[in-house]
Amino acid sequence: DAKTTQPPSMDCAEGRAANLPCNHSTISGNEYVYWYRQIHSQGPQYIIHGLKNNETNEMASLIITEDRKSSTLILPHATLRDTAVYYCIVRGGRDDKIIFGKGTRLHILP
Amino acid sequence: DAGVIQSPRHEVTEMGQEVTLRCKPISGHNSLFWYRQTMMRGLELLIYFNNNVPIDDSGMPEDRFSAKMPNASFSTLKIQPSEPRDSAVYFCASQPGNGRAVDIQYFGAGTRLSVL
Repeated sequence: DAKTTQPPSMDCAEGRAANLPCNHSTISGNEYVYWYRQIHSQGPQYIIHGLKNNETNEMASLIITEDRKSSTLILPHATLRDTAVYYCIVRGGRDDKIIFGKGTRLHILP
Repeated sequence: DAGVIQSPRHEVTEMGQEVTLRCKPISGHNSLFWYRQTMMRGLELLIYFNNNVPIDDSGMPEDRFSAKMPNASFSTLKIQPSEPRDSAVYFCASQPGNGRAVDIQYFGAGTRLSVL
């Protein structure tokens, strides 16, 4: 079973920041938080990952709470092309497998 | 690199026929994964390989499904005989592997299978 909990869907206005929450209250010390997204009919795509510190790349920012029990993925200026299902995944440092939950379906509104 | 390449992109077959899905991982990647996605069950891991060796096939639904990886650049997922409930999108993914602390999976475009 997936170790994360996400809202099933969210709306965000185009041009605004999209903030996607994820709860992972049972995360252990060596487990990373990964985010992937799946645009309709395509394969999932890696976005970002983090362990303890906040992370930023060209796609998004990842904010992890100090107790590591939750995190937020931030898309700073959402566009229509960001409409997708976003998966938050917890994965151990030596685990090969990814267990996908149901994710959050993000709708970007024009 | 062209990424993970899957073929065919679409497959339509009749119940009882054999179906073979193919995957070419990214060159240099040591781990390969097969997933199945349906509306009801979401994205499920079927089997994965490390260095061409099957490591975990606990997600393979039944004996009608089999997967092979004869070399580092090719894998197949075979369904024989196929049934309508096998209709789904099948994804292949690869990652660099070798026990890295952080590893990223790269997915192919998928094969949409319809069993009539």
